[in-house]
Amino acid sequence: DAKTTQPPSMDCAEGRAANLPCNHSTISGNEYVYWYRQIHSQGPQYIIHGLKNNETNEMASLIITEDRKSSTLILPHATLRDTAVYYCIVRVKSGNQFYFGTGTSLTVIP
Amino acid sequence: NAGVMQNPRHLVRRRGQEARLRCSPMKGHSHVYWYRQLPEEGLKFMVYLQKENIIDESGMPKERFSAEFPKEGPSILRIQQVVRGDSAAYFCASSPTQGAADEAFFGQGTRLTVV
Repeated sequence: DAKTTQPPSMDCAEGRAANLPCNHSTISGNEYVYWYRQIHSQGPQYIIHGLKNNETNEMASLIITEDRKSSTLILPHATLRDTAVYYCIVRVKSGNQFYFGTGTSLTVIP
Repeated sequence: NAGVMQNPRHLVRRRGQEARLRCSPMKGHSHVYWYRQLPEEGLKFMVYLQKENIIDESGMPKERFSAEFPKEGPSILRIQQVVRGDSAAYFCASSPTQGAADEAFFGQGTRLTVV
């Protein structure tokens, strides 16, 4: 069953920050929040993940609320190549699988 | 360090034939996951394997589908007597451990077309 809720689509102007929200109100204390993206029909690409603290890497930043019930993926300077479907995933406790919901289709506009 | 390698990238089979999809995990990764993506749909979990063991096959169809990850060599997803509804992209992912803290990396997929 889906454990995350994301808007189905978003637009972002090229060069601006893209802020992709995710609701995971039933997350458990030891479950991680992961973000992947799928460009066209390629294999999903790992972006970032976190447990409690905010995280940043060369691709993006992940902001997790203090109650951990929601998070935001931030692409600081969106480019046309960031157009993709972005999946917010709560990694189940056993770590056996990633559940991919419907994701957010992000379109970066020139 | 090469990424997850899947082959073939494209596979065409006639109805009733067998399809074999191969996945070589990243070096040092002993955990493999298979996902299926039907056209215009999201990824659906199929099976999770460690070396020589199937850990979770809750997403595998009960008939015609099987998976293995032998001690030596790639993981194989086998589909017997393929039907048109099996046409999809099949993705493999690998991770070094089972832990929720470790990310999994995906291959580029095998696109199966049943004619």
